[in-house]
Amino acid sequence: QKEVEQNSGPLSVPEGAIASLNCTYSDRGSQSFFWYRQYSGKSPELIMSIYSNGDKEDGRFTAQLNKASQYVSLLIRDSQPSDSATYLCPDYLYSSASKIIFGSGTRLSIRP
Amino acid sequence: KAGVTQTPRYLIKTRGQQVTLSCSPISGHRSVSWYQQTPGQGLQFLFEYFSETQRNKGNFPGRFSGRQFSNSRSEMNVSTLELGDSALYLCASGENTGEQYFGPGTRLTVT
Repeated sequence: QKEVEQNSGPLSVPEGAIASLNCTYSDRGSQSFFWYRQYSGKSPELIMSIYSNGDKEDGRFTAQLNKASQYVSLLIRDSQPSDSATYLCPDYLYSSASKIIFGSGTRLSIRP
Repeated sequence: KAGVTQTPRYLIKTRGQQVTLSCSPISGHRSVSWYQQTPGQGLQFLFEYFSETQRNKGNFPGRFSGRQFSNSRSEMNVSTLELGDSALYLCASGENTGEQYFGPGTRLTVT
């Protein structure tokens, strides 16, 4: 059973600082990597997809992938109170029977 | 494009009853996955359908079942409800790339 390891938090970051969230995977078979954000009482929302090693930037968000180390991170620059949420990085392996495993996520709190 | 829709949004049932939840995916998406979310267990994968076929199934008892129609709409059914089935049930659709777009969920309360 593949697993995703995330720091469950809560991770507290001052407003305006960089928030760093990390995921490590136990299975080298993982092929695609995603970050979801879930506000309390809401459903998860896809915020980043990354498929190749290196960095991918989208606004204040940067995803970093290192497949060899089975490691993916999400950096949030200029953190805002609206970034306070739980961040999920599911494990996804596509084959004839795709399956996505979500961990419990990292709770991020941006303090004013 | 319209997002994923789920009906009903809220539901209260009694133990032993059965329930059917509905999900309409984003137009063009053929993959529909279902998840159960509870405070203690997080997001648990129930099953995934693609082009009317169940492609994968999570570790849930047979009381949980689903199906997908030719228009990609999907339903899940839970029979003989138990108190522990109280949860938020989420549906997500995708284009087979792994990216998933979630609906607002159906909150089921079993009394």
